[in-house]
Amino acid sequence: AQSVTQLDSHVSVSEGTPVLLRCNYSSSYSPSLFWYVQHPNKGLQLLLKYTSAATLVKGINGFEAEFKKSETSFHLTKPSAHMSDAAEYFCVVTETSSNDYKLSFGAGTTVTVRA
Amino acid sequence: NAGVTQTPKFQVLKTGQSMTLQCAQDMNHNSMYWYRQDPGMGLRLIYYSASEGTTDKGEVPNGYNVSRLNKREFSLRLESAAPSQTSVYFCASSVPGLRGGTQYFGPGTRLTVL
Repeated sequence: AQSVTQLDSHVSVSEGTPVLLRCNYSSSYSPSLFWYVQHPNKGLQLLLKYTSAATLVKGINGFEAEFKKSETSFHLTKPSAHMSDAAEYFCVVTETSSNDYKLSFGAGTTVTVRA
Repeated sequence: NAGVTQTPKFQVLKTGQSMTLQCAQDMNHNSMYWYRQDPGMGLRLIYYSASEGTTDKGEVPNGYNVSRLNKREFSLRLESAAPSQTSVYFCASSVPGLRGGTQYFGPGTRLTVL
């Protein structure tokens, strides 16, 4: 069975400061991990994904995440927040040894950016 | 490419009414999915279709039915709507990859059941 825990339901940062969104996962097999972003009243957009290649994954809009197997974590970071980063972020896991491709979503982290 | 499209964008139903949510993708993906999103719960899988002609239950299938009409289209039906089905519904599609296929999401349907 697979699951994801997003450790913060809400993160507030000032524009220009770093952003850290924390995610821990559990998986019986080698996981694939994703971060999706959802802007208000919009669908979900893929930010980045980890699929067992490099452990440091770079995504769109300056985001990156590091896969740490020993800590079962996949935290999302950005060096400098922009007002347009205000959104909800979802950490997602899927088990790659299964024949179906069901995703398990975390509950989400809402990011607000202060001017 | 339009990607994944969903209709309608908004819908209000009365308890007991039925309706069908439509989803279509133009990316030639084999797999399609229906999720519901409720506050504080992320997205939960209702049904999925790994390929044309097959459908399977997800985490929360009760009260829903699906039809994979062809490779492009995957519809979700509520036979007798209940207030507990008030939610935002997302359709997604993917090409299964060796290490977990990326899913592409539609814009969502906001459903209110009174």
